[in-house]
Amino acid sequence: QVQLQESGPGLGKPSETLSLTCTVSGGSISSYYWSWIRQPPGKGLEWIGYIYYTGNTNYNPSLKSRVTISVDTSKNQFSLKLSSVTAADTAVYYCARMGPLYSSSWYYFDYWGQGTLVTVSS
Amino acid sequence: QSVLTQPPSMSAAPGQKVTISCSGSSSNIGSNYVSWYQQFPGTAPKLLIYDNNKRPSGIPDRFSGSKSGTSATLGITGLQTGDEADYYCGTWDSSLSAVVFGGGTKLTVL
Repeated sequence: QVQLQESGPGLGKPSETLSLTCTVSGGSISSYYWSWIRQPPGKGLEWIGYIYYTGNTNYNPSLKSRVTISVDTSKNQFSLKLSSVTAADTAVYYCARMGPLYSSSWYYFDYWGQGTLVTVSS
Repeated sequence: QSVLTQPPSMSAAPGQKVTISCSGSSSNIGSNYVSWYQQFPGTAPKLLIYDNNKRPSGIPDRFSGSKSGTSATLGITGLQTGDEADYYCGTWDSSLSAVVFGGGTKLTVL
């Protein structure tokens, strides 16, 4: 059973860079796309971006200028960096596995981490 | 403002059927597959439907999905109090080159 676990600081200051890591267990990070998704308190889901195990990335246009997603296949981990954060970036951040490439669509999320709340405040 | 439009809330009685709509455009639902997620308070979303109408292993057949044109629908039959949750639709938007979600529908079973 694939499991994902987010880790990183739960508090950040405005203008700083938010850094989170997702550790994948119970399966290899290879041959799948992996995403970051966030959810502000009381609001809906927002896709941040994905990375393939080869390092290929795609980001939400609304966040593209501030987002970097990287992968470390040796550790079965992928990471998120979000720069110049403001209070609007306060949210629960989820990492998730995307659907297998052999399915009709790969852009759904079949395994999710439990989420980690990141609060941006001075 | 979400790219996909869902009703903010719906309610129905136990045992009844409910359908949750998700409306989009030709660049997203109209040309790509739709997925649906169930989220209970304080927990991560859970995949209910993918590829418009397929259920992952373990999802009961009370849950169904369909798509027509630029709209999709999640159906839940035999409603149970345990189905009270937020439901989200999602798909790929070919114009944005991004995954997009609906704003979510809060389902109350009363």
